[in-house]
Amino acid sequence: QKEVEQDPGPLSVPEGAIVSLNCTYSNSAFQYFMWYRQYSRKGPELLMYTYSSGNKEDGRFTAQVDKSSKYISLFIRDSQPSDSATYLCAMSAGAGGTSYGKLTFGQGTILTVHP
Amino acid sequence: DADVTQTPRNRITKTGKRIMLECSQTKGHDRMYWYRQDPGLGLQLIYYSFDVKDINKGEISDGYSVSRQAQAKFSLSLESAIPNQTALYFCATSTGTNQETQYFGPGTRLLVL
Repeated sequence: QKEVEQDPGPLSVPEGAIVSLNCTYSNSAFQYFMWYRQYSRKGPELLMYTYSSGNKEDGRFTAQVDKSSKYISLFIRDSQPSDSATYLCAMSAGAGGTSYGKLTFGQGTILTVHP
Repeated sequence: DADVTQTPRNRITKTGKRIMLECSQTKGHDRMYWYRQDPGLGLQLIYYSFDVKDINKGEISDGYSVSRQAQAKFSLSLESAIPNQTALYFCATSTGTNQETQYFGPGTRLLVL
């Protein structure tokens, strides 16, 4: 079983819809949670970052972390065609231990927002 | 100019050939990484380096080797390429903080025939 599980989709929604992307994980040492966005034929780029549990909002994007359930989410409000991309969750245990400095990625969810 | 560059961007090679993928960065970061990406599998870590003298294996290092020639350069070699190494390869850098934001290059698309 993978440490991080993410539904690969694909997910297709109409413009203006609310999108929910999710990841589950098994390693309780993870403390830092990130969402990367990857456009076609490009490298991933950081979209959102959250430390420990809680919510973080940035414009139309909201990241949620529930450490008790080992579950993270990314919500996109008023989705736009320009949001069409692959979204990857990523996690890190942070300082200390053999995993220090390494990210573990989910499989990525392919999202298409159609006009 | 891009902060993390990779060469070549596309490569076709034959089984058994040795090839090298190169990564350069102008971000001044100490940490560099090599990943491969396959459909449905996400990003898998091949090797990582926290400084010029520190090289570590990732989760899928078999069949690969690396060289950290300088702080700014990190090369990945396939000693004897095989078809299941056909994938998209990414280099990344990071600052080495707890947040571990990684900055990715544009990728190299490799096809092994």
